Amino acid sequence: GAVVSQHPSWVICKSGTSVKIECRSLDFQATTMFWYRQFPKQSLMLMATSNEGSKATYEQGVEKDKFLINHASLTLSTLTVTSAHPEDSSFYICSARDSALDRGRGYTFGSGTRLTVV
Amino acid sequence: AQSVTQLGSHVSVSEGALVLLRCNYSSSVPPYLFWYVQYPNQGLQLLLKYTTGATLVKGINGFEAEFKKSETSFHLTKPSAHMSDAAEYFCAVMRGDSWGKLQFGAGTQVVVTP
Repeated sequence: GAVVSQHPSWVICKSGTSVKIECRSLDFQATTMFWYRQFPKQSLMLMATSNEGSKATYEQGVEKDKFLINHASLTLSTLTVTSAHPEDSSFYICSARDSALDRGRGYTFGSGTRLTVV
Repeated sequence: AQSVTQLGSHVSVSEGALVLLRCNYSSSVPPYLFWYVQYPNQGLQLLLKYTTGATLVKGINGFEAEFKKSETSFHLTKPSAHMSDAAEYFCAVMRGDSWGKLQFGAGTQVVVTP
């Protein structure tokens, strides 16, 4: 089955530094990937849609200069949290859809990244 | 725009009892509907989905859900709860007319008691 690898699974960083999270589709190509943010005991909130070879589309209220998304290949999207602050601490999850399958197949999710900014 | 409402943020069931998680949606076009399960500090795993065709959908781990258009519902059930079913469950809707993003419900935490 489709597998999405997300790395790192957890990271602790100092306030003001940047952190990069990778989302990789291992056995399929994904022209579109999605980045979600999940606060404790809450639902997933879509942050942005990552499109291979073009600019990401951000949801309303998400700072594009703070959350940089790069989708340089059909199997890799990265999310960089720039100048991180404690309020950016959260669980970040990516998802990807096999480009060769119809949209009804659903999306495969990565295992998530727990970011803690101290 | 579509939306998803999950009734009950917490559900406690006895082992062996029926599990019923409620999900109602709103969508101006025929939706694709999903149920996902999330274990602590992990991503989401697809339980089942409805796109077209048969309205009773069977998924993994003994779960099933029925799409009822007249009630705009997609409730998730399992006849007999197992301890391993303790997790967070999310209902999600994707618009049928786009490559679409998933809109998630608030989630329901299931606790299974011996």
